[in-house]
Amino acid sequence: GEDVEQSLFLSVREGDSSVINCTYTDSSSTYLYWYKQEPGAGLQLLTYIFSNMDMKQDQRLTVLLNKKDKHLSLRIADTQTGDSAIYFCAEILYGNNRLAFGKGNQVVVIP
Amino acid sequence: DSGVTQTPKHLITATGQRVTLRCSPRSGDLSVYWYQQSLDQGLQFLIQYYNGEERAKGNILERFSAQQFPDLHSELNLSSLELGDSALYFCASSVAGARTDTQYFGPGTRLTVL
Repeated sequence: GEDVEQSLFLSVREGDSSVINCTYTDSSSTYLYWYKQEPGAGLQLLTYIFSNMDMKQDQRLTVLLNKKDKHLSLRIADTQTGDSAIYFCAEILYGNNRLAFGKGNQVVVIP
Repeated sequence: DSGVTQTPKHLITATGQRVTLRCSPRSGDLSVYWYQQSLDQGLQFLIQYYNGEERAKGNILERFSAQQFPDLHSELNLSSLELGDSALYFCASSVAGARTDTQYFGPGTRLTVL
């Protein structure tokens, strides 16, 4: 299936941590991605994780992957106002090279 | 800046018209993808090209067509436009179009059909 599910909205105070969750369905996905979309802007690749990893840390970003539950999360430490955006998780579906995206999770950072 | 460029940034046109969206991939990338982002459908894959040839097709309407030229830039042609075609159209590129290649997105073209 192609359903990548994400919760829709998260409000967080500046300086706190944000956690965005995603559930994917293709157990053969090799890479899983997080993209960020700021208002009026394109999709910016934030980070990705290879399916044989459980965790990847990249500066303020931590990606956790639970393959058994097909659950992916993105933690943003010390959230800044510039982190206000919509965050999409995405997977490459088996058998083709297209990205299947979740509906996105809007993060609003309150100063 | 991803290195992928798209023109125009905005396009406003009327129903029944035809438009062409243009994409230049990152330097060195051979594969180009087109995606459509709309409020009701979210981000949907349309079509992929690799080195001038169509490689994969997604939810692309028959009224839409695309091609990739020898210089690797790509164009997405949308014809007989309907109100529902209003959306943000993204182009992405990757090195070789393989499953393990990361796709880098352009800033998008916002199409408004009136």
